[in-house]
Amino acid sequence: AQSVTQLGSHVSVSEGALVLLRCNYSSSVPPYLFWYVQYPNQGLQLLLKYTTGATLVKGINGFEAEFKKSETSFHLTKPSAHMSDAAEYFCAVSEGSSASKIIFGSGTRLSIRP
Amino acid sequence: KAGVTQTPRYLIKTRGQQVTLSCSPISGHRSVSWYQQTPGQGLQFLFEYFSETQRNKGNFPGRFSGRQFSNSRSEMNVSTLELGDSALYLCASSLGREFNEQFFGPGTRLTVL
Repeated sequence: AQSVTQLGSHVSVSEGALVLLRCNYSSSVPPYLFWYVQYPNQGLQLLLKYTTGATLVKGINGFEAEFKKSETSFHLTKPSAHMSDAAEYFCAVSEGSSASKIIFGSGTRLSIRP
Repeated sequence: KAGVTQTPRYLIKTRGQQVTLSCSPISGHRSVSWYQQTPGQGLQFLFEYFSETQRNKGNFPGRFSGRQFSNSRSEMNVSTLELGDSALYLCASSLGREFNEQFFGPGTRLTVL
């Protein structure tokens, strides 16, 4: 069975600093990986996804993630944090090619200090 | 284009009752998936409907059921409510093909007293 582990339930960074949210996955088949963001009282929004091809994936709002098969990781980064980035971030893996059944990590709450 | 809408946004029920939640997908989307979000268990997949048929199912008891109508609107029903069913229920729609992005609605906050 596939699973996702997000290291750190809460990450706090200063405005303008690097954002790094860690995600490790477990999968016996090539995974399809996602990062979603959830703002308070809202649904989830897809930041980026990796299916096949280039291992460095660029998403919306300046975020990117790198798929590292040898480390079974898919960490999310952003060079310079903005106050509007404060939210909950979820790493996820899909079971097979059907992106409808997604296994989510436990989430990381990102806080931005002024 | 209108996004995914869910009704109602908030709901309070008592143990033993049943509840029906509704989800209207983005126009043209044929797939609707349902998720339960709780502080303890996080986000868990309930089921997916595509063209009025259940295509995928998570590990939830039979008290949780759903259906999809010909216009792709979907309903989720929970019978014999338990306190542990209190959660945010999210619905997501997509075109239903491989790698299609799922678009999430704002959710229905269900509280069971």
